[in-house]
Parts: sequence; structure tokens; C-alpha cells
Amino acid sequence: QAVVTQEPSLTVSPGGTVTLTCGSSTGAVTSGHYPYWFQQKPGQAPRTLIYDTSNIHSWTPARFSGSLLGGKAALTLSGAQPDDEADYYCLLSYSGGARLFGGGTKLTVL
Amino acid sequence: QVQLVQSGAEVKNPGASVKVSCKASGYTFTNYGFSWVRQAPGQGLEWMGWINTDNGDTKFAQKVQGRVTMNTDTSTNTAYMELRSLRSDDTAVYFCVRGSWGQVNDYWGQGTLVTVSS
Repeated sequence: QAVVTQEPSLTVSPGGTVTLTCGSSTGAVTSGHYPYWFQQKPGQAPRTLIYDTSNIHSWTPARFSGSLLGGKAALTLSGAQPDDEADYYCLLSYSGGARLFGGGTKLTVL
Repeated sequence: QVQLVQSGAEVKNPGASVKVSCKASGYTFTNYGFSWVRQAPGQGLEWMGWINTDNGDTKFAQKVQGRVTMNTDTSTNTAYMELRSLRSDDTAVYFCVRGSWGQVNDYWGQGTLVTVSS
């Protein structure tokens, strides 16, 4: 079974830019993995931010964007705000219908 | 507005079964399937599987394959996830998510805490 990898933790300054990545043990992440990004704050259900690599929901702040970068899926936060401090999870889809979450990235805005 | 409302917390003995419900409203139920995700205390998210509402097709994670059943009831707009032969490591918050394979997984239920303990 594949393993999906994320940075365990990252720190960004208020107003700064940070990129979170999501890799797969099977090789390069492509659009065919339909990457998702979710945000979860303590005690809350996750919230879907990005789907299918770069598509945003109506509730996704414009400072979040998704892309493919260097063989990985990437979530870029431009202009970080204190409210963005949270855990971020990626989800990849594999042939046969299976999906796997990454271990999550704890983002600190400091 | 789209809402997914899950059933309340459960406490189960090892070896028992649990059935979590997810009642949907605010959209045409048969247009979307469901995915189920769980999160053990202090841990990350774990994908469990999905079900198509229109044809009942399912796909489950290897870890729960053989112990999990997912179904939907179009008469009550409710999705269900049943997990059998519960073990202590099944203790987690279980979430339903609107959307199955090939559909956007967007709205989440509030979560249901299932505790497995003797």
C-alpha cells in the first residue's frame, strides 16, 4: 500500500507565504491523484479547502491555492493570518478507487 | 443549505458492532455518494471508504475491509456506516463526507465519537 507524506510541522510569519507539500511513495503526484487539501482546527470537523489539485470552494479564502510542484501536490498560503493556524491534510486517490490521507502538517503562524 | 447531521456518541465493548448514521439535507440526496473518514484521539485522518448512492457501489480501505458495511436509505436521506468486531484501536471520531469516487468531497458531518472499551 502507498504512503502519503507531508511535512509534520511548519511555521510561517503573519503576512508571510508558506508551501505545504504532499508526496506519494509510488512516485510523482499527478492530477490523476485528484489531490485534496483539508484544514482542521482543534475540536472541529475538517473543512475541504482544495479539490482536484487546484479547485477551490466558495468558502476557501483566496490566499490559499493548490498546485503540483516538483512531483508533489502543494498547498500555498500567501499572506498568512493567525486564523490559518491549524492542521492541514492532503488526500490522494489511487487506481481502483482507494484513497489515502497524508499524516498532516501542523501549521503555526508566529 | 447543505447539512450532514450524524448520530450521537457510542460506547461499545470489544467485539461488538456500531452503526453510525449521517442524515443529509439541503440537496438532492441521490446526486451524491458518501465517504467515511475516522480520526483516532490525537491522530490524523484515516480514509475508510465510499459508497455511491445511486448504485450502491462501494470501496473500502484495506484496514477495515471485511468488517465495514456502508449503505444509504433514500427514503430518509440517511447514510450509514457499520463497523463490526470492534477493537480498542477503532476508538475514534467518525465523519461522513458528501461525495464518493469521482465526486467532490465537500461537506462534512460534525463527527461521532465511538469509544471501544471493556
